[in-house]
Amino acid sequence: GAGVSQTPSNKVTEKGKYVELRCDPISGHTALYWYRQSLGQGPEFLIYFQGTGAADDSGLPNDRFFAVRPEGSVSTLKIQRTERGDSAVYLCASSLEGRGTEAFFGQGTRLTVV
Amino acid sequence: AQKVTQAQTEISVVEKEDVTLDCVYETRDTTYYLFWYKQPPSGELVFLIRRNSFDEQNEISGRYSWNFQKSTSSFNFTITASQVVDSAVYFCALSEARAAGNKLTFGGGTRVLVKP
Repeated sequence: GAGVSQTPSNKVTEKGKYVELRCDPISGHTALYWYRQSLGQGPEFLIYFQGTGAADDSGLPNDRFFAVRPEGSVSTLKIQRTERGDSAVYLCASSLEGRGTEAFFGQGTRLTVV
Repeated sequence: AQKVTQAQTEISVVEKEDVTLDCVYETRDTTYYLFWYKQPPSGELVFLIRRNSFDEQNEISGRYSWNFQKSTSSFNFTITASQVVDSAVYFCALSEARAAGNKLTFGGGTRVLVKP
């Protein structure tokens, strides 16, 4: 596709449920990032994939959060036992490898935990 | 640890006025990259500019200009002759060379409202 695609655009789930958020990066981009943006704040880093492997997952808040990228393209962010505090916009970005290359962002998935 | 501060949370101007957005950063790395992104109401972050730590030359792109000063750890952004379409939230971000990939640390953002 032309840009980074994220699905669904909106997700409402009940507290305690499991959710999956999908990211389809720009074709050819080997680097993929997940960020979380709470209302009125800047995005916060969650995890970085280089190819299929998670090169840096230091931003994942706890073990309820997990992400995969099995074929080095599409990535899925998984959240178990969701809590109301998980409500936020989850942004995915992709880029070419190389220092200082710009990241291209998707429109995000707005997750609401009720 | 790295940090980006955007002290202005919201700026309101009338169309055709100039507006300057402040960005101050902290890093212990000697090689780093600074970015500005625009986030319109649609939510997608749009890349505006990248600067590396060794290039302090100011840059102008149309109505946008950027002033990078390492001495004050600042990377300010000016919109000249603002237009209603400039209304958005603008984020300054930092990437350190020693970090894995190009992980970005964002400031809190500045909301710009341009009134007709």
